[in-house]
Order: sequence, then C-alpha cells, then structure tokens
Amino acid sequence: DIQMAQSPSSVSASVGDRVTITCRASQRIGSWLAWYQQKPGKPPNLLIYAISTLQSGVPSRFSGSGSGTDFTLTISSLQPEDFATYYCQQAHSFPLTFGGGTKVEIK
Amino acid sequence: QVQLVESGGGVVQPGGSLRLSCAASGFTFGSYALHWVRQTPGGGLEWVAMISNGGSRRYYADSVKGRFTLSRDNSRSTLYVQMDSLKPDDTAVYYCARDRSSNPTGGWGYLDYWGQGTLVAVSS
Repeated sequence: DIQMAQSPSSVSASVGDRVTITCRASQRIGSWLAWYQQKPGKPPNLLIYAISTLQSGVPSRFSGSGSGTDFTLTISSLQPEDFATYYCQQAHSFPLTFGGGTKVEIK
Repeated sequence: QVQLVESGGGVVQPGGSLRLSCAASGFTFGSYALHWVRQTPGGGLEWVAMISNGGSRRYYADSVKGRFTLSRDNSRSTLYVQMDSLKPDDTAVYYCARDRSSNPTGGWGYLDYWGQGTLVAVSS
C-alpha cells in the first residue's frame, strides 16, 4: 500500500497569512494526488485533483504543486472560512490512501 | 444537484451484520463509480471499497476484504454495502462518495461528491 505522510499535523495562522501543507507519498504516484477540506460535522470536500487542478467552485487562493513523491497545498491568503482540516489522498492505485490530516487553526 | 444519502447505520455487536444503503440523485447514476470511505472516531479517513459504474469491478481495503460486499442497483440509483463479521475496529462514520470520473475503463480515485455519512458502532 502507498503511505501518505502529511505535515504539519496542525498549524496556527491568522487571516491573510500564507499557509503551506506538505504531503509525501511512500512511492512515486505520478499526477494522482488530490486535496480535500473538511469542516467539523461535514464530509470532506474535494479541492484539488491531479496535483494542481482546482475542482469547480474552489477559490483561486488554493493551489497545488509537486511531483514524484512530494506535494504541496498552498492557501495564498487565509480566509475565515478556510479554518478546517485538510487531507491529501493518492489515487495512483488501490487501496486509495489518505494522509493523516492537517488542522488549520486560528492564531 | 448531486445528492448522496446514506442510511442503515446503528449499533451492532461484534460478529454482527449491517447493510448500509446510499441513495443517489441529481446525476446519471449508472455512469459513475462509487466508493465507501469511513472516518474513525480518531478522525482519520480510510478508504473502504469501490464499485465500477456497471458493477463488474470491485476493489476492497484489506481490512474489510472477505467481510464487506459492495453492490449497486442502477435502476434504483442506490449503492449498498453488506458488512458481516463486524469488529470494534469497524466503528466509524461511513460515507458514500461519487468518483469524479465517468470513464468506465478506469482513471478512478478522485471523490467529488460525498454524502453526510452514517454512524456504525460495533460494541458489546
């Protein structure tokens, strides 16, 4: 199975800050990488797929990058509605696997 | 709009069985693969299983293989998972989710719509 290691596990930030979350796969996964946002009591919401393609309706302050085994989610200017937990997920092969999550908290 | 509504969760004793359903609307059900994903009390997300749009291909996590069985009824726009020999480690919120791809030959793995989830608790 492909393991996904996310860091940090939590980050404290202020509105307007730039936030970066990293995800490392245990083997190369090509472009098969997605990011999800989850708020308490809600299901995950697909933000980005294929490393850097924004899902419809997702604000442009979210961006994804990376290649091979190392990937990054960046929020360019944190907004109040962005405080949530973020997960990476590989879609290279079954079983699909998720990172452990990064909680973005208010500083 | 796309909607996925899970049902069938509850409390069950170890070794027991449950059948979850996921009723879909707002899209051409038979064109999309579907997944079950669970979220443990600790918060982690674990992919459980996937069934292709026509139902001919199924993939399972090792943790549920041989105990869980996916099926779908495209005439009723409903996805099912039969869960047998349940263990305390199966305790979680179970989500059904649609695969973003309508390609019947693969390219699966991005989950673009999710239901609200149903809670399964396995306890004596």
